[in-house]
Amino acid sequence: DAKTTQPPSMDCAEGRAANLPCNHSTISGNEYVYWYRQIHSQGPQYIIHGLKNNETNEMASLIITEDRKSSTLILPHATLRDTAVYYCIVRVAVPDSNSGYALNFGKGTSLLVTP
Amino acid sequence: EAQVTQNPRYLITVTGKKLTVTCSQNMNHEYMSWYRQDPGLGLRQIYYSMNVEVTDKGDVPEGYKVSRKEKRNFPLILESPSPNQTSLYFCASTLLGGVNSPLHFGNGTRLTVT
Repeated sequence: DAKTTQPPSMDCAEGRAANLPCNHSTISGNEYVYWYRQIHSQGPQYIIHGLKNNETNEMASLIITEDRKSSTLILPHATLRDTAVYYCIVRVAVPDSNSGYALNFGKGTSLLVTP
Repeated sequence: EAQVTQNPRYLITVTGKKLTVTCSQNMNHEYMSWYRQDPGLGLRQIYYSMNVEVTDKGDVPEGYKVSRKEKRNFPLILESPSPNQTSLYFCASTLLGGVNSPLHFGNGTRLTVT
């Protein structure tokens, strides 16, 4: 699976948009970009995923560059409850019998939302 | 409510005393997995299971056993726990065969081995 690079930490004011970048320059054509977050030692929570088109759901938006080498997760109106570690993960979508579907979470970006 | 349930949430035990951490999911997922999370090392996969009676080692399987006798349950067994197994453990599950099925995680089990 392709490796990702994220900034270790970011701050965001409550109510403002939080834009979390991720570089994945070695991504393959069949690999998706997934975002998860982990709030203070709770289980990681799925946010969104995409292949090449921009995606939006009730939690966030995902913007993927045309060359697919980077992406940005956008939380449009950050709240204090969005303070968490955000993980960008790149991998094939459907696990095969040999892959184990292990996700390489890396170190992620620690987002602090301030009042 | 669709969920992955782990028990117990917290466990303190002594070296060598066998323990089992249970994991159950109510989403009819084929795939289940165990991770451990340690400071500076991130989440690492211990074992996974693609279906009933099918289990495979992940990246850090030493000292652990698992079983998958039923689709919904995937217990993690530590036959002889040691202090280096002190960690935060997560169980996860997903459907196989679809791009829109992410991993669902339990809320974790914090294990301390003294």
